[in-house]
Amino acid sequence: EVQLVESGGGVVRPGGSLRLSCAASGFTFDDYGMSWARQAPGKGLEWVSGINWNGVITHYGDSVKGRFSISRDNAKNSLSLQMNSLRAEDTALYYCARVAASGRYCELDYWGQGTLVTVSS
Amino acid sequence: QSVLTQPPSVSAAPGQRVTISCSGSSSNIGNIGNNYVSWYQQVPGRAPKLLIYDNNERPSGIPDRFSGSRSGTSATLGITGLQTGDEADYYCGTWDSSLSAVVFGGGTKVTVL
Repeated sequence: EVQLVESGGGVVRPGGSLRLSCAASGFTFDDYGMSWARQAPGKGLEWVSGINWNGVITHYGDSVKGRFSISRDNAKNSLSLQMNSLRAEDTALYYCARVAASGRYCELDYWGQGTLVTVSS
Repeated sequence: QSVLTQPPSVSAAPGQRVTISCSGSSSNIGNIGNNYVSWYQQVPGRAPKLLIYDNNERPSGIPDRFSGSRSGTSATLGITGLQTGDEADYYCGTWDSSLSAVVFGGGTKVTVL
């Protein structure tokens, strides 16, 4: 059974940093691209970042480009999101998701339950 | 303001059919060579679930009451035989070649009357 479990969320002050992690199990991790998406309270989905199977190719949404960094450790079946220069508008539930076998980042076939990040002074 | 435009809400009685539109542009839905649209269902308090991929394909376990189509710069999700369990928010998503990023619609709330 595919499982994605996010961790690392919490409360952080504006300008601060936070590192999210996603532990994957139930599939061959290095066969798949991975993504982060987020959802602000009461708002819609927003794609944050994606990474290919070996970590060589990464993409970011405009709102986080230059501030967030996605990475993966295939030996540990783990995905990470380093978030710097956090702003109030980054407050959201952050989801880890698996990119489907097609490799298309818009096809996210498994999602975790999310970890909440709150940016507030 | 989302790159993809969806109606905020649609509603219908049980057993009826609803359609949800998703309007984009030539850099995303209408981009020849990379115009794959996905649809997600999100029940309140739960993570999104992939409903449709590759414009009209259903993952295993998704009933054929759900269907997708794409034409030009728009895509449509159809739900037939509406059930109370279909009450949820629905999002379209695709790759935008100008942004080099995935873009989602703003979401459509489906209400079963």
